Amino acid sequence: DGGITQSPKYLFRKEGQNVTLSCEQNLNHDAMYWYRQDPGQGLRLIYYSQIVNDFQKGDIAEGYSVSREKKESFPLTVTSAQKNPTAFYLCASSIELSSGELFFGEGSRLTVL
Amino acid sequence: AQKITQTQPGMFVQEKEAVTLDCTYDTSDPSYGLFWYKQPSSGEMIFLIYQGSYDQQNATEGRYSLNFQKARKSANLVISASQLGDSAMYFCAMRGGTSYDKVIFGPGTSLSVIP
Repeated sequence: DGGITQSPKYLFRKEGQNVTLSCEQNLNHDAMYWYRQDPGQGLRLIYYSQIVNDFQKGDIAEGYSVSREKKESFPLTVTSAQKNPTAFYLCASSIELSSGELFFGEGSRLTVL
Repeated sequence: AQKITQTQPGMFVQEKEAVTLDCTYDTSDPSYGLFWYKQPSSGEMIFLIYQGSYDQQNATEGRYSLNFQKARKSANLVISASQLGDSAMYFCAMRGGTSYDKVIFGPGTSLSVIP
C-alpha cells in the first residue's frame, strides 16, 4: 500500500541531544513537509522540499535541520538548539509543491526529559 | 499575511444530527485552495474535502460538504448524520496566495458526538 511512514512513533530525548525523525514515502510525490503540533494547537510548518537536494525553511525552522538526498526520504533532525522540542511531529507529502492535498504520516511524538 | 480562523474551540452534536464547523480565511490573492482535515485521537491527519477558489459549486464528499462563501471568505464544513466516529479535531487549511507552496492550518475545532 502506498503511504507515508514515520518512525519512531514515540521518542524520548535528554536535553542537549540531537534526534532524527524518519519520514519515508512511496507515493512518488515530489513535495514533502514537516509540521510541528503542540497540544491543543494547529500545525506549524518547519521545513518543506520540492525536489531532491532542495528544501526551504517554514515558519518555525530555528533549531531544526533537514535533508532530501532521495525523493522518498525527508528526515528531520531536532537539534539541541531547539529550545522547546517536546511536541508531535507530522510529516506530509503532496504530488507537487503548488497543488494537491497533503498526505500525512502517523506522526512522531518527541518528549524531552 | 495569510491566516485561518476557527472560532469554535469545542463543539458538541447529537448522534445523527448535522453540525457545521466554522472557518474563515484571509488572503488577498484570487487563486487559492481550501482543505479540511480530521485528526482522531490517534494523531493521524485525514484529508476530508477540498474547495478551489474558482470552483463554481460547493464541494461534497459523502457526508461532508463545504459551504463556500467567497465574498465572506468563509469555508464552513458541514457534517451530516453525525456518527460517534466523527469525534475528533477538525482543521481548516489553505494553500494559495503568495505562499502557494505552503499549506497553513487553523487552530482546529474539537468535535464531540453524543450518543
